[in-house]
This record gives sequence, structure tokens and C-alpha cells, in this order.
Amino acid sequence: GAGVSQSPRYKVAKRGQDVALRCDPISGHVSLFWYQQALGQGPEFLTYFQNEAQLDKSGLPSDRFFAERPEGSVSTLKIQRTQQEDSAVYLCASSLAGGYGANVLTFGAGSRLTVL
Amino acid sequence: AQKITQTQPGMFVQEKEAVTLDCTYDTSDQSYGLFWYKQPSSGEMIFLIYQGSYDEQNATEGRYSLNFQKARKSANLVISASQLGDSAMYFCAMRDFGNSGYSTLTFGKGTMLLVSP
Repeated sequence: GAGVSQSPRYKVAKRGQDVALRCDPISGHVSLFWYQQALGQGPEFLTYFQNEAQLDKSGLPSDRFFAERPEGSVSTLKIQRTQQEDSAVYLCASSLAGGYGANVLTFGAGSRLTVL
Repeated sequence: AQKITQTQPGMFVQEKEAVTLDCTYDTSDQSYGLFWYKQPSSGEMIFLIYQGSYDEQNATEGRYSLNFQKARKSANLVISASQLGDSAMYFCAMRDFGNSGYSTLTFGKGTMLLVSP
């Protein structure tokens, strides 16, 4: 596609529910990042994929968070047993080459998760 | 650890005037890159400008320029001739050029810019 597409754009979940957030990166982009953006804050790194390999998951806040990119294109971020502190915008970004140097990340519009 | 500081929570500017958004950073690495992104109310982060730590000249992209002062570890964004459409959140971000083949972007907390007619 022309840009990074994320769905759903908005998700309301009851505490304890599982949610899945989808990211369609730009076709052919090798690198894919997930970021979490709390209200009034800058994005914070969650996890990084190079093709289908998850090379870094150091930013995932707990074992309730899980991400996958099984075929090296679409990625899903799954949050199990959601809690109120999980409420945030989840941003996906991709880049053509590795996520280093001057390579620019192209971001999606994000998925806004609200946990009641 | 990297740290980005944006001390201005909000800035106001009149249309057609220039505005400077401040960004200071902290890193022990010699090789790194600095980025500015714009985030309008729609939520998408839009890349504006990039400066490498070894670039000798300040980066410019149209109405955007980056005032890079390496010794002071500052990378301020200058927007000339502000337009109403410039109203948005602006984030400064940094990436160090590690040996792992990739590195993440570290973002500041952002500055909200409001442009008035």
C-alpha cells in the first residue's frame, strides 16, 4: 500500500478482555516497529521485527503483550487481559531497510485503545 | 541511555512568522541521528527533517531547518513562514548508530504548536 495501515483505529475494551491490533506496513519494507504513546507523551518503543524475526522485544511492558509478524509483512500486536494502564495509542512504523542510520520510519495513524 | 528533552509544552505563533522549537539530547555515542516528526490531530507521525551527527551543515527541508549545535547537544527545529496547517504536536527523536544493525528511535515528550491567523 501507499502508507502504513493500522486497524482498528479505535478500540474500546473492558478490563480483562484480549485485544488484537493489526499493522499493514508499506509493501517490501523490511523493518517494522511498534510504539506505545500514552496521552500527552511521546511514543515509546515496544518491539522490532526484521522481516519475520522479532529481534527486540525489550520494550514490551509485560508478558501480557505479544507481537508477531509470521510472513514478514502484516504484524499483529496482541494484549491479553487488558488493564486500564494499557490505554494508549499504539503506533506501527516501517522502513525499507534496517532501522538504523538515516533510514526514516513511516508511521501509521495508530490504534487508540481505551480500557474501561 | 539516550534522552530527549523538549522543554516547551506549548508554543504560539502568528501566521507567517518564524518559530523555533527546542530540543536537547543526551547520549554517549559519537554517531547518531536526530529527527523531527509532526503529529497532527489525525494521529499519524509525519517525518519532517533529519540531521546526522557528522553532518557539517544544518539540515534544511523547505520551510523547515534544523539548528544543530553539537557541543551544546541541541537540535532545534525552525519553521519559517508559519501556516495554519502547521498547528500540531512536534516531536524530536534520536537514534544512535549502534553495531546491532538497527536501533530504535527515542522520542521527547513533544511541543504543541498553535498557529493563529
